[in-house]
Amino acid sequence: DGGITQSPKYLFRKEGQNVTLSCEQNLNHDAMYWYRQDPGQGLRLIYYSQIVNDFQKGDIAEGYSVSREKKESFPLTVTSAQKNPTAFYLCASSQGQGTDTQYFGPGTRLTVL
Amino acid sequence: AQSVTQLDSQVPVFEEAPVELRCNYSSSVSVYLFWYVQYPNQGLQLLLKYLSGSTLVKSINGFEAEFNKSQTSFHLRKPSVHISDTAEYFCAVSNRILTGGGNKLTFGTGTQLKVEL
Repeated sequence: DGGITQSPKYLFRKEGQNVTLSCEQNLNHDAMYWYRQDPGQGLRLIYYSQIVNDFQKGDIAEGYSVSREKKESFPLTVTSAQKNPTAFYLCASSQGQGTDTQYFGPGTRLTVL
Repeated sequence: AQSVTQLDSQVPVFEEAPVELRCNYSSSVSVYLFWYVQYPNQGLQLLLKYLSGSTLVKSINGFEAEFNKSQTSFHLRKPSVHISDTAEYFCAVSNRILTGGGNKLTFGTGTQLKVEL
């Protein structure tokens, strides 16, 4: 089945630790995105990538880092510099044209203790 | 800058009743509009989208939305809801083509639709 997978579904970390969230797609999409979702705030764009080895900051990139070494993979690292990391993180991908639909993964719920 | 307003954070409705979820956007240029649905602890699924052409767009499960340029709205409607429609619905707008392709979606804060018996 084609789609986007995110792992793990739930993640618990201690304050001050870096943590990496996985996102893999087998849709052969060029563009990939990371969003953060908080209750009552909708989704906010963290980072996006249009092509392998290239990525751009979104609206709330501070405290996060990404890499895009392979077309199908776009991992997100939540660093200790992120002041309030507890949230639901969603990865998405699209073919890369301006009007293309973004398809979302099932999400990872990160809780920092 | 573009923005999306979903004024209703929660909409309770009885099964088989009609429902309208409101979405207004702000943008100085042409837009593309989307409705996504999210079930608990899951990702978002595209419900329907307006890119161009007919201003009335429909989904396969009975929802429809009408693009109204003069009122800058894209309200979502369904004439008769089912229990299984209980979910959170997000309106999104895009008018910015990112360098190299792709699009930047700006989301509303979501409307929780709760269908009751």
